[in-house]
Amino acid sequence: GAVVSQHPSWVICKSGTSVKIECRSLDFQATTMFWYRQFPKQSLMLMATSNEGSKATYEQGVEKDKFLINHASLTLSTLTVTSAHPEDSSFYICSAGRAGGTGELFFGEGSRLTVL
Amino acid sequence: QKEVEQNSGPLSVPEGAIASLNCTYSDRVSQSFFWYRQYSGKSPELIMSIYSNGDKEDGRFTAQLNKASQYVSLLIRDSQPSDSATYLCAVRMKEAGTALIFGKGTTLSVSS
Repeated sequence: GAVVSQHPSWVICKSGTSVKIECRSLDFQATTMFWYRQFPKQSLMLMATSNEGSKATYEQGVEKDKFLINHASLTLSTLTVTSAHPEDSSFYICSAGRAGGTGELFFGEGSRLTVL
Repeated sequence: QKEVEQNSGPLSVPEGAIASLNCTYSDRVSQSFFWYRQYSGKSPELIMSIYSNGDKEDGRFTAQLNKASQYVSLLIRDSQPSDSATYLCAVRMKEAGTALIFGKGTTLSVSS
């Protein structure tokens, strides 16, 4: 399978600050990456589709000005949670699929955000 | 509307038994279906994918797909305590582009 790496794994921040999470595809190029969020005992909820070189596509109910996504290269997408609040505390997971693959997505290790 | 439904469980089976996990989906034209396993605090890992009606076997795992009934299942034979995890059904729906839509997951507990 393909390798997707995410950093940081854990982050604790104060309310009102911004946090950046990086997602890298290590052994393949990803023109598209996906950002998911998972609250405790809930499923993965798609937040946005990150497109290399263009604007991200956000799912309904996800604030694009709060969750800034940048996909500047074929191997890196970043998610910045701006002005974080305690309700943003969650497990954020990125994923990507190989171009020409069979459609499965490979997931990063996830980033657990805790906003105090 | 993008929906993937799973029974949240927990599903409890004894070691060595067959565990049966079920999933239904709302988008009739969906073509790609996946089962992921997620341990607590970890990200999902792919177990199986299935694209055509019928059964697909990989080791102790068998995925079954019935597009007419919009139903996909996962059977785990000879269940082991290490199989205890949450199993997520994921569907690629036309509305979602190339993203996957996940069910809430079924928690499986295998007792030794």
